[in-house]
Amino acid sequence: DTAVSQTPKYLVTQMGNDKSIKCEQNLGHDTMYWYKQDSKKFLKIMFSYNNKELIINETVPNRFSPKSPDKAHLNLHINSLELGDSAVYFCASSRGHQSEQYFGPGTRLTVT
Amino acid sequence: AQSVSQHNHHVILSEAASLELGCNYSYGGTVNLFWYVQYPGQHLQLLLKYFSGDPLVKGIKGFEAEFIKSKFSFNLRKPSVQWSDTAEYFCAVNGINNAGKSTFGDGTTLTVKP
Repeated sequence: DTAVSQTPKYLVTQMGNDKSIKCEQNLGHDTMYWYKQDSKKFLKIMFSYNNKELIINETVPNRFSPKSPDKAHLNLHINSLELGDSAVYFCASSRGHQSEQYFGPGTRLTVT
Repeated sequence: AQSVSQHNHHVILSEAASLELGCNYSYGGTVNLFWYVQYPGQHLQLLLKYFSGDPLVKGIKGFEAEFIKSKFSFNLRKPSVQWSDTAEYFCAVNGINNAGKSTFGDGTTLTVKP
């Protein structure tokens, strides 16, 4: 009965590969987010979707492409992975875009 | 544009000491304010939030925060910390008219020594 789940939890891959991270929430929320947390714990928003529509797209390389097949899912696809993409990626959801956010467990991506 | 500043990057306390973590924001309008906690190796969890009403809000685990509008501040407090409070603490602001974008501070690492 996990509220926000992400898969995989760990992802180790080589430079140049393409990978995806999946996120699902069972809270009935209409807004979902992707955040990147670097090694210094800084948390930066990448994308936000509301009812499957993109509403926030921060300055993120276009190698990153989110996809929201429905309100409960927000996946993140990353093309041509680079060393600098190594980080922990958190998915989150909220009821509306001004309420508190519920975070997933994170996906630790390591690019070698 | 909105921004959040957390003044303390790393705070080290002994158990039973009192805690106050500073948070100041910049936004020219009404805001919702949040404190989140991230325990080692875990995801962020909500500690407390302020939307409106009483500026002194109480959260889980004995934490509280006070919204001082004139100072654009939302400091987090706890009268007596425990070893289990060791974690990363994030202040976040969400401007009401800012299209749903929450901005997080850079975080404060709290280490509580037993």
